[in-house]
Amino acid sequence: GEDVEQSLFLSVREGDSSVINCTYTDSSSTYLYWYKQEPGAGLQLLTYIFSNMDMKQDQRLTVLLNKKDKHLSLRIADTQTGDSAIYFCAERSGSSASKIIFGSGTRLSIRP
Amino acid sequence: NAGVTQTPKFQVLKTGQSMTLQCAQDMNHEYMSWYRQDPGMGLRLIHYSVGAGITDQGEVPNGYNVSRSTTEDFPLRLLSAAPSQTSVYFCASSLQGQVGEQYFGPGTRLTVT
Repeated sequence: GEDVEQSLFLSVREGDSSVINCTYTDSSSTYLYWYKQEPGAGLQLLTYIFSNMDMKQDQRLTVLLNKKDKHLSLRIADTQTGDSAIYFCAERSGSSASKIIFGSGTRLSIRP
Repeated sequence: NAGVTQTPKFQVLKTGQSMTLQCAQDMNHEYMSWYRQDPGMGLRLIHYSVGAGITDQGEVPNGYNVSRSTTEDFPLRLLSAAPSQTSVYFCASSLQGQVGEQYFGPGTRLTVT
């Protein structure tokens, strides 16, 4: 079945780059997404990548996709305290275009 | 636009009680969905709808009912609450065909004792 996995925690020093990793199982995934959830709030779409792309850059965010290994990563450059949040990886199922499958989320904490 | 709104923000129920979580959106989105979020488990899809009058089950539909009589509203009903339904519930919406680009409500934190 479809599954999306992420590590649960990441701690990064302020000003460094953060790299959040995700693996997925559905080889027919069409789109892959990164969402951000701040404390007490709903999820907010950060960025997404189409499955025929290798990389997408959007200001401080870089998404890398290795389709062969089914591995997705989100790099946040110059990490700031405002980046503290839970980051969810998600895939749009190739077998059902009406659903997306979320990972369990990676909690990013920033240390001074 | 208010976006996606959910009420109530917090609710405590006793086992066996029923209630409805409300969700509304003012973006004329065809697609709406309900998720529950539990620690370490990410978001799991409960039910979704691709338009008024059309609903379908997600990954964890048992114990929940939905209806979609209008484009704007998508209420979630708990028929007989159980402690296993203690969770944070999120409603989301998107344009049809853009299910990955969903707008989320602020969530309802439900505790069943």
